[in-house]
Amino acid sequence: SQQGEEDPQALSIQEGENATMNCSYKTSINNLQWYRQNSGRGLVHLILIRSNEREKHSGRLRVTLDTSKKSSSLLITASRAADTASYFCATDRNTGGFKTIFGAGTRLFVKA
Amino acid sequence: DGGITQSPKYLFRKEGQNVTLSCEQNLNHDAMYWYRQDPGQGLRLIYYSQIVNDFQKGDIAEGYSVSREKKESFPLTVTSAQKNPTAFYLCASSPRGDGYTFGSGTRLTVV
Repeated sequence: SQQGEEDPQALSIQEGENATMNCSYKTSINNLQWYRQNSGRGLVHLILIRSNEREKHSGRLRVTLDTSKKSSSLLITASRAADTASYFCATDRNTGGFKTIFGAGTRLFVKA
Repeated sequence: DGGITQSPKYLFRKEGQNVTLSCEQNLNHDAMYWYRQDPGQGLRLIYYSQIVNDFQKGDIAEGYSVSREKKESFPLTVTSAQKNPTAFYLCASSPRGDGYTFGSGTRLTVV
């Protein structure tokens, strides 16, 4: 079963607008990661937030984590056409067994 | 530059044929992983290895095999037992407890 589930499945915005994507998960985690995938390419690691952190920034990216609600959000500010990609969250669980589970992704389309 | 290299970029397989996808990393990462991605879908774990000479099945290991004879290399063989192998295959590596580095993928098509 999916540990991380992104919402919305697809998002279309105008260049310059902000884009917000959400990720929900089911079990306790050590950390949560966000990745970006351009069409037909591998995933690129964007940001990792640990379970004891609430917010993290990297350039135009802002990630929040609410462990009480088991959810995270990725905000991309002042979006650009080049931000068009799929964005995945991945959760690193702290229970037994293999730990890192990827969600199905949010497909972001930024119109120029 | 350190990184992870997958080859080939495109691969065509005939029915009943085994094919091997290459994955090499020079990041000195202990752990390596193989994922399968179908169109518009997320990643599903095939196999992973956290140390040389050891590997574990993921969620969809049937019809696949791997080896980990060297820290740098984690090849994936898609066997004839895999009935629906057409997909995008991604290899990744990671140090313990941190984010993954992915290769650029191999697109496998059955002809």
